[in-house]
Amino acid sequence: DAGVIQSPRHEVTEMGQEVTLRCKPISGHDYLFWYRQTMMRGLELLIYFNNNVPIDDSGMPEDRFSAKMPNASFSTLKIQPSEPRDSAVYFCASSLPGTATGELFFGEGSRLTVL
Amino acid sequence: QQQVKQSPQSLIVQKGGISIINCAYENTAFDYFPWYQQFPGKGPALLIAIRPDVSEKKEGRFTISFNKSAKQFSLHIMDSQPGDSATYFCAAINTHSNYQLIWGAGTKLIIKP
Repeated sequence: DAGVIQSPRHEVTEMGQEVTLRCKPISGHDYLFWYRQTMMRGLELLIYFNNNVPIDDSGMPEDRFSAKMPNASFSTLKIQPSEPRDSAVYFCASSLPGTATGELFFGEGSRLTVL
Repeated sequence: QQQVKQSPQSLIVQKGGISIINCAYENTAFDYFPWYQQFPGKGPALLIAIRPDVSEKKEGRFTISFNKSAKQFSLHIMDSQPGDSATYFCAAINTHSNYQLIWGAGTKLIIKP
């Protein structure tokens, strides 16, 4: 069974450019999470969805960040305009339906470098 | 109150030794405590988890010890192997509240051959 699939794996862009990160969750999982990981701040939850509906976006750093989940098999995280401080590894994770648990299935991440 | 404090930040252990990573929490509403393992270039993956109604859970060489009164839990890796070298994160969640894992800061473990 395929795991969580993220693309691109690596993205290098210049400050001010738009960045779109993509995620395909595991089929049948109804929770989807976007995390950011940096050395300084560790793992930060940006936003999560349940059944394609955004539930908590309080971790989104500012209006430059937006996330969508148009259907159960696809989500995007967009940064516009990007800034050097956005450089990080962005992870998408999904989890099983039903009672909330702490078991998340992570993708391999998208490493973003903003010059 | 929402924090999970993890120590040490980094750890070097000889092959065959015991690796111990500790975590502490404040929120007594947490009811599920997972440990995640992350290899370089990969996402974290669930390693082992415990609920507060038990004091210990063992899976192979990995054991979680849980002290509810002290609000502490720890991961023990017995007979540590070079393949165990990774970053380990403890976490906690209140499964009856908002669905948000609270993460420790991580421990980078290196097992020396």
